[in-house]
Parts: sequence; structure tokens; C-alpha cells
Amino acid sequence: DAGITQSPRHKVTETGTPVTLRCHQTENHRYMYWYRQDPGHGLRLIHYSYGVKDTDKGEVSDGYSVSRSKTEDFLLTLESATSSQTSVYFCAINSGTGGFEAFFGQGTRLTVV
Amino acid sequence: AQSVTQPDIHITVSEGASLELRCNYSYGATPYLFWYVQSPGQGLQLLLKYFSGDTLVQGIKGFEAEFKRSQSSFNLRKPSVHWSDAAEYFCAVLPSGTYKYIFGTGTRLKVLA
Repeated sequence: DAGITQSPRHKVTETGTPVTLRCHQTENHRYMYWYRQDPGHGLRLIHYSYGVKDTDKGEVSDGYSVSRSKTEDFLLTLESATSSQTSVYFCAINSGTGGFEAFFGQGTRLTVV
Repeated sequence: AQSVTQPDIHITVSEGASLELRCNYSYGATPYLFWYVQSPGQGLQLLLKYFSGDTLVQGIKGFEAEFKRSQSSFNLRKPSVHWSDAAEYFCAVLPSGTYKYIFGTGTRLKVLA
């Protein structure tokens, strides 16, 4: 398995509070992604990074921000959590060379009450 | 807009029966194509991928997929399903020249004993 660790694995938070999810990789891969998974929607891209300090928006980026200060860490922040952000969040990585496949973390289940 | 369609939300098959999961994509050029599997509470695991060459690709766990350019399809098949194949299956594309994966909404497979 690719060395991807997401933390926390589960979190319950209150509406309006800030939340940060962490993705840590040990593969030295260039690309890192944050997806959310919701029933009926599959996986939707929130943000992705193509290098340290280089990030870009995905299709559902509103209400989310990201940061990547080191190759191995990609943080997803919900500045003010809303109930619509209750979801399962997945981090993925891609080396940018070779096979082009993405490798996924185990996911973080976030509940906003 | 680029999109991936998995027309079957749920599929139920008997153990030992054959399986075909459908995937169609909308994109001008041939993208890179992937199938992933997700067991409950887990991340996504790559089953197989297609970049070029032979249009029939073999993957792990006895799965195969066939790329048909004329139909913009990349259907997943297995000759004989095992109870352990019960999971959710996602088709994904990576348009050439980008590193933004686009996922289908998934097909949930149920296997009857």
C-alpha cells in the first residue's frame, strides 16, 4: 500500500467551527488531492496540489482552503464548517510520472452537527 | 464538459455468475482510464488501467476491462464473481494533459450466495 496517512480518521464538529484535515505521504509524490465522497455523487475534487505551495481548485472548492508547505503534507481546512460539508474525505497522491494512477488514503469521516 | 457515466447504481449477481459494469466517458481525446474498487469503510484500490495499446487489459482479482473507442466505453468484466467482490466500483478518467481525475458516481455490487 502507498504510504498515505489521513488524520483524523473520524471527527464530529459543530457548525461554524474551523476544521483541518491532514494528509501525509511518504512516497515523495508530486501531486496530492482532496476529494469528498457523497452518495450519488461519487468522488468530487475539492483541491489539488502540483508541488509545494502550488495548488489549484477543483469542482467543489467553495468553503475549503488548502495548504502544502512540505512535499509530504497537504492540509484541507474548512474555515467555518457547515452541515453540507458532512462527508467522507479522501486524500490521493500521484507521482506525476510512470503509471499515472492515483493512490488513496483510508478516508476521514467528518460529521458537522 | 468532461464527464464519466456509470449508468448502473446498483447491480446484484449470484456468486459464480459473470459480471459487467459499464462506464462511458465524454472527452474528445482518449484519456487515461481506470477502474477502482472500494470496500466498505476503506479507501479506493486500483483494479486496472488503460493508457494505450491492447484494448483488453487485465487487472487484479481476476478483473478485465475493454476499451472501445467508437463507444467511448471502458467496461469492467469478471467471468465468475466471488462473494468477496461485493463492493463499490468506480470508473475514472484522467484527461491527457491534466492531472485532474474525473470519477463516475459508482456502481454498488451485491453478490448473492
